[in-house]
Amino acid sequence: QITLKESGPTLVKPTQTLTLTCTFSGFSLSTSGVGVGWIRQPPGKALEWLALIYWDDDKRYSPSLKSRLTITKDTSKNQVVLTMTNMDPVDTATYYCAHSSTGPAMVFFDYWGQGTLVTVSS
Amino acid sequence: SYELTQPPSVSVSPGQTARITCSGDALPKQYAYWYQQKPGQAPVLVIYKDSERPSGIPERFSGSSSGTTVTLTISGVQAEDEADYYCQSADSSGTYQVFGTGTKVTVL
Repeated sequence: QITLKESGPTLVKPTQTLTLTCTFSGFSLSTSGVGVGWIRQPPGKALEWLALIYWDDDKRYSPSLKSRLTITKDTSKNQVVLTMTNMDPVDTATYYCAHSSTGPAMVFFDYWGQGTLVTVSS
Repeated sequence: SYELTQPPSVSVSPGQTARITCSGDALPKQYAYWYQQKPGQAPVLVIYKDSERPSGIPERFSGSSSGTTVTLTISGVQAEDEADYYCQSADSSGTYQVFGTGTKVTVL
């Protein structure tokens, strides 16, 4: 079965760079049509899509955060890494990674990790 | 930037029908997806490609699309359906993804 798990620091200081790792099993990120995305959710607020990496290494980013985000994959390790620079307290959120099924005009997230809460504070 | 708008809350009695709307200019061009999120849990996909239901999702969940609005319908609402619901879709070019503002469904 497909599982994903996020890992990384629970506390980062303002201006620091956040690095989160998504380790998954049950699928290969080299399979056509597969992607892994990152989504975050500030406490009590809505989901916000951040980034998506496709099987062919195509990458997409939220326009509002594009300058701060980098998404990469290591297919051999079954991992996807998200980095976010210049962290601010408003970036405090639960960060999720999710398996994405993609196709013509189609991207959705059918398996999610449990999420990891990242707090930005000095 | 592109936005998907949902009503903040919907209240419904057990056994009745809940309808949650999601509005966005690109919805005539892009599929919509719906997620259910219960407190402290990760979201769960309940509808994909506007109206398809993943395996394991009860038949009382259905989706429809009309112009710039998509609707998630929960027929015969049960207490366990109390949750936050989010729509998701892409901008008109399909370049990036967006989640809706979210709707809290309360079962009275």
